[in-house]
Amino acid sequence: EIVMTQSPATLSVSPGDRATLSCRASQSVSSNLAWYQHKPGQAPRLLIYGASTRAAGIPARFSGSGSGTDFTLTISSLQSEDFAVYYCQQYDNWPPITFGQGTRLEIK
Amino acid sequence: QLQLQESGPGLVKPSETLSLTCTVSAGSISSTSNYWGWFRQPPGKGLEWIGNIYNSGSTFYNPSLKSPVTISVDTSKNQFSLKLNSVTAADTAVYYCARQAHYGGSMFDPWGQGTLVTVSS
Repeated sequence: EIVMTQSPATLSVSPGDRATLSCRASQSVSSNLAWYQHKPGQAPRLLIYGASTRAAGIPARFSGSGSGTDFTLTISSLQSEDFAVYYCQQYDNWPPITFGQGTRLEIK
Repeated sequence: QLQLQESGPGLVKPSETLSLTCTVSAGSISSTSNYWGWFRQPPGKGLEWIGNIYNSGSTFYNPSLKSPVTISVDTSKNQFSLKLNSVTAADTAVYYCARQAHYGGSMFDPWGQGTLVTVSS
């Protein structure tokens, strides 16, 4: 099973600033990495797939990078609606499909 | 726009079977080659994949799950279902259904809003 590790667990950032979230895989997942945004009481939302491709309708302030074992989700100029929990998910080698434990992005 | 909605009992007794249904609307469950998935989020924890089902009925399950799992599809009702047998308190979670995204690869979009299932006597 590929273990996904996200850091930090919680990130405090001021609106308008940049947020950088990290995700590391226990073995290479190539570029088969997705990022989701999850707000309480809502459905998770796919942001990025293929490590760096934005899903339809996702604002350009969200960007993904990385390949192999190390990945980054960057949110430039944070908006109030961006404060949520973010998960990375690998789909290179499954079953099982595995997620990171999440990074909570909170308002500083 | 395709929508998914989970439904089922919110309270299940230990050792009994947890049964949930995902109803797909604004689209046909059989009109696509995508597959469908179940996920859960225990309180205070992250997302966990439970399993996938193709329209053909082929399934893949998470081997880490302790409770036996069955996922099935009913194309006539535009639904797919989850059964988790012999549940324990560890199966208490918000359960989500989702469709494989149409980009290829095993990422999921859209998702349902989720339904909380509590395992307690």
